[in-house]
Amino acid sequence: GAGVSQTPSNKVTEKGKYVELRCDPISGHTALYWYRQSLGQGPEFLIYFQGTGAADDSGLPNDRFFAVRPEGSVSTLKIQRTERGDSAVYLCASSYTVNTEAFFGQGTRLTVV
Amino acid sequence: QKEVEQNSGPLSVPEGAIASLNCTYSDRGSQSFFWYRQYSGKSPELIMSIYSNGDKEDGRFTAQLNKASQYVSLLIRDSQPSDSATYLCAATPYGTNAGKSTFGDGTTLTVKP
Repeated sequence: GAGVSQTPSNKVTEKGKYVELRCDPISGHTALYWYRQSLGQGPEFLIYFQGTGAADDSGLPNDRFFAVRPEGSVSTLKIQRTERGDSAVYLCASSYTVNTEAFFGQGTRLTVV
Repeated sequence: QKEVEQNSGPLSVPEGAIASLNCTYSDRGSQSFFWYRQYSGKSPELIMSIYSNGDKEDGRFTAQLNKASQYVSLLIRDSQPSDSATYLCAATPYGTNAGKSTFGDGTTLTVKP
């Protein structure tokens, strides 16, 4: 596709459930980033990949959060035992390589009830 | 203190005026800077990138970087009502953390017809 694609656009889940959020980057982009954005705040870094490996996962809040990018393209952000505080918009971005211009997908709005 | 600071606004300018948005950052290791525009309920959209001191112009937009003073600015000439949005500043460090951008919380701009 022409841009970064994230699915689903919206996800409502019950507290304690497991969720997976998917990101399909721009073709040819080797770097992929996950951010989380709460209302009225800027995006907060979670993790980024250069190729298949997680180059920096220091932004993941705790061990309930995990992300993979097994083939260096599509990435999945996985959240176990969801909590109400996990409710936010999860944004994915990709760039040709690290530290070049990054382009965001439309985001996944996660609501934990 | 946040690593990237922006005046939250709102900043209001009349149509046709110049809008000036400012951003300061605390990490002297930051080497790449980006401005994003975010409409309400939408994801951030890249407007400008700047990597070296001085000015960079693209159409009605001019980004300015002063690494010695640790500030970045965005000027929007001939402001239009469609420019009304939240503008996010992002700083990216050099080296092993190069994929870890830090965002400010944004400045809300309103352009009045």
